[in-house]
Amino acid sequence: AQSVTQLDSQVPVFEEAPVELRCNYSSSVSVYLFWYVQYPNQGLQLLLKYLSGSTLVKGINGFEAEFNKSQTSFHLRKPSVHISDTAEYFCAESDRHNQGGKLIFGQGTELSVKP
Amino acid sequence: EAGVAQSPRYKIIEKRQSVAFWCNPISGHATLYWYQQILGQGPKLLIQFQNNGVVDDSQLPKDRFSAERLKGVDSTLKIQPAKLEDSAVYLCASSAPGQGGDYGYTFGSGTRLTVV
Repeated sequence: AQSVTQLDSQVPVFEEAPVELRCNYSSSVSVYLFWYVQYPNQGLQLLLKYLSGSTLVKGINGFEAEFNKSQTSFHLRKPSVHISDTAEYFCAESDRHNQGGKLIFGQGTELSVKP
Repeated sequence: EAGVAQSPRYKIIEKRQSVAFWCNPISGHATLYWYQQILGQGPKLLIQFQNNGVVDDSQLPKDRFSAERLKGVDSTLKIQPAKLEDSAVYLCASSAPGQGGDYGYTFGSGTRLTVV
């Protein structure tokens, strides 16, 4: 069965420090991978996606993620965070062979950026 | 382009009452999804429509939840009767298959349901 594991439920970090949010995906199927951000009382906004090609994916707001097939990981990174990055972050996968298919989400990581 | 519209934004009901949520997807998006997001968890798919047909409703508690998508555009999700554990944010999303891996997936702002 498909599954996504986000290894940290909460990540506190100081402003301008680097951050990494960890995500492991299921290896049982060939997948597309995504990171979404959710600000309080808002819907989900796509940060970046891995479909194919280069394993380093750049997204909005200075975030990037690296697809690592051998470790079945898709960790999200940012070299210097801002207060405005405080939000909930979700890693998700979808089955490549299920066109228009459902997203399987991790439990989420709450990023808290402190001044 | 206009986003995915959902209403209401908030709803508080007593247990055993009924409630309905409405979603209007992005124009031209054939696929529509309803996700349930319980506090502290990631969203979980309840039901997926392709036009007005159901593709996946394996996670929908069919004894109390129902959904329809008449004419392949707007959709309504209903809960009757509601239980305390139904308290969650209900997210609607739409996508256009064939446009690439993320299919133009777009989420609405959600409806926050509190059952007391």
